[in-house]
Amino acid sequence: QVQLVQSGAELRKPGASVKVSCKGAGYTFPDYNIHWVRQAPGQGLEWMGWIDPNTGSTNSAQNFQDRFTMTRDTSITTAYMELNRLTSDDTAVYFCARLTYYANSRGGFDIWGQGTLVTV
Amino acid sequence: SFELTQPPSVSVSPGQTARITCSGDTLPKQYAYWYQQKPGQAPVLLIYKDTERPSGIPERFSGSSSGTTVTLTISGVQAEDEADFYCQSADSSGTWVFGGGTKLTVL
Repeated sequence: QVQLVQSGAELRKPGASVKVSCKGAGYTFPDYNIHWVRQAPGQGLEWMGWIDPNTGSTNSAQNFQDRFTMTRDTSITTAYMELNRLTSDDTAVYFCARLTYYANSRGGFDIWGQGTLVTV
Repeated sequence: SFELTQPPSVSVSPGQTARITCSGDTLPKQYAYWYQQKPGQAPVLLIYKDTERPSGIPERFSGSSSGTTVTLTISGVQAEDEADFYCQSADSSGTWVFGGGTKLTVL
């Protein structure tokens, strides 16, 4: 079964950092970029960035570039996101999602993790 | 960066057709994607590449595109379709954006 499984809820104080994991299963992990999306309480979806598990290259939204890091460990098919210098505005559910392809074109985020609540 | 604009809410009676629009200057050049999100759940991909439907998505969900606007159409709306809907697109550099979301209410 193709799935992404995220780590559990986190509670942090302002100024601290948080690291969330996202384990892929049921597919060839290096073949699909992993994206991170967050959703503050009662708000919409906010795209944060992506990592290419094959090469480790990343691209992130300008809002987060100086305090947001994405990494991966292909040996355990896991991607990570770390957000530093947390404020109350970072309280949100953080999702990882897989970008799929259809006929060599981007096919959207077809598999999502269950979400990780980060409370600051 | 670019923006995608959606109406905050759409209301429709059961059995009728709901249309949710998404506008953005990059949409003539870039594909749009649509997601449905129910409370407490992760989003689900409904439409990709403007008009294509992944396997398992009911045929009552369809997408269309015209100029700077893409539209998600839900035909024969059912009570279970009540949810938040988001459009999404990306630019050529790999930067992605979601629209602000539309709450569909089934009256």
